[in-house]
Amino acid sequence: GENVEQHPSTLSVQEGDSAVIKCTYSDSASNYFPWYKQELGKRPQLIIDIRSNVGEKKDQRIAVTLNKTAKHFSLHITETQPEDSAVYFCAASVGSGGYQKVTFGIGTKLQVIP
Amino acid sequence: DAGITQSPRHKVTETGTPVTLRCHQTENHRYMYWYRQDPGHGLRLIHYSYGVKDTDKGEVSDGYSVSRSKTEDFLLTLESATSSQTSVYFCAITGHENTEAFFGQGTRLTVV
Repeated sequence: GENVEQHPSTLSVQEGDSAVIKCTYSDSASNYFPWYKQELGKRPQLIIDIRSNVGEKKDQRIAVTLNKTAKHFSLHITETQPEDSAVYFCAASVGSGGYQKVTFGIGTKLQVIP
Repeated sequence: DAGITQSPRHKVTETGTPVTLRCHQTENHRYMYWYRQDPGHGLRLIHYSYGVKDTDKGEVSDGYSVSRSKTEDFLLTLESATSSQTSVYFCAITGHENTEAFFGQGTRLTVV
């Protein structure tokens, strides 16, 4: 089955600096890569996603890159703010035959220091 | 927020007792999932459903069963709860393959 590795597990940055979280996956059939943000005590929510036919996607201060050959994808947050502090999960998804199997990374706890 | 609710939100139960968690959606989405979240493990898939009465196992299905008798409800049952099943359980729904998953608020289950 799919295996998703996520690094680092914790990350502290100064407000205004950039943060980068990296993930690798094992199943070359994975074709959808969402990122979720989970604030303390709340549910995970999608912040950005990318499909396998795209190399990069950006939404304001957040960007995701995908390297299919190397089977890795990364989340980039620029100009970090205290409200970016949360746990971030990457995921790899295989959608076929009427179902979607999503495998998550273990999460990265991001702390933005004011 | 998508119309997805879990009940109960918190539960403490004793080892060996049966427990059922409920996930209810108002989005008419086809796919429903149960995950458990534990420190150092992220979100791990327990079971999922791709239609009424259509379910399959995830990576950590031992000790759990599910049922989906109608589109809007997906039940997770722990037949005989163990301390290793203490966790936060999340239900999720998706409308189509490879689209955003919407999560419920989570259920914190403690088995003593």
